[in-house]
Amino acid sequence: GQQVMQIPQYQHVQEGEDFTTYCNSSTTLSNIQWYKQRPGGHPVFLIQLVKSGEVKKQKRLTFQFGEAKKNSSLHITATQTTDVGTYFCAGEGGGADGLTFGKGTHLIIQP
Amino acid sequence: NAGVMQNPRHLVRRRGQEARLRCSPMKGHSHVYWYRQLPEEGLKFMVYLQKENIIDESGMPKERFSAEFPKEGPSILRIQQVVRGDSAAYFCASSPPGYGANVLTFGAGSRLTVL
Repeated sequence: GQQVMQIPQYQHVQEGEDFTTYCNSSTTLSNIQWYKQRPGGHPVFLIQLVKSGEVKKQKRLTFQFGEAKKNSSLHITATQTTDVGTYFCAGEGGGADGLTFGKGTHLIIQP
Repeated sequence: NAGVMQNPRHLVRRRGQEARLRCSPMKGHSHVYWYRQLPEEGLKFMVYLQKENIIDESGMPKERFSAEFPKEGPSILRIQQVVRGDSAAYFCASSPPGYGANVLTFGAGSRLTVL
């Protein structure tokens, strides 16, 4: 079945540093989504990428979808304490498999 | 415009008891998903339902777990004879009808503790 791998599992950064998390799928995806979960909270949808090579920005967040539609990345520029949380990617295949979530990257920010 | 409503938010059960978790999807959404999350872990898919139909239950344990989404009322995830390993956060998510790219709206979760 479809597998989605996400690295790193944990990332410690100093406030103001950049952060990147990577997502790789074992199969070609029809789309990929990113979610953020604050500590003690629930996952909240951030963005969806559909097109090969697509790049989308949300303020300090940049999302990329690979040309082969098998990998994606989320980059945060100049992290702030409000960025703390776990970032999940979730890929959807071409069939009726639904979303497969990666295990998430826990972002820890040291002031 | 309520989002996905889950209750109870916290549930404590003793080993062997039953746990019932409820989920009302967002207005206009007809697809419901249940996920389990252990502390510091990712989201593990359990089941995908539409009204009166289980579409995909490939993530459900074979025994003690069941889910339903009746014509009227919330979706229910039922865990019979709970064991300590069932302690986790159970998240429900919903999405609108239509095949293809579905964005999930998650509820706040139900945190089950088994003593």
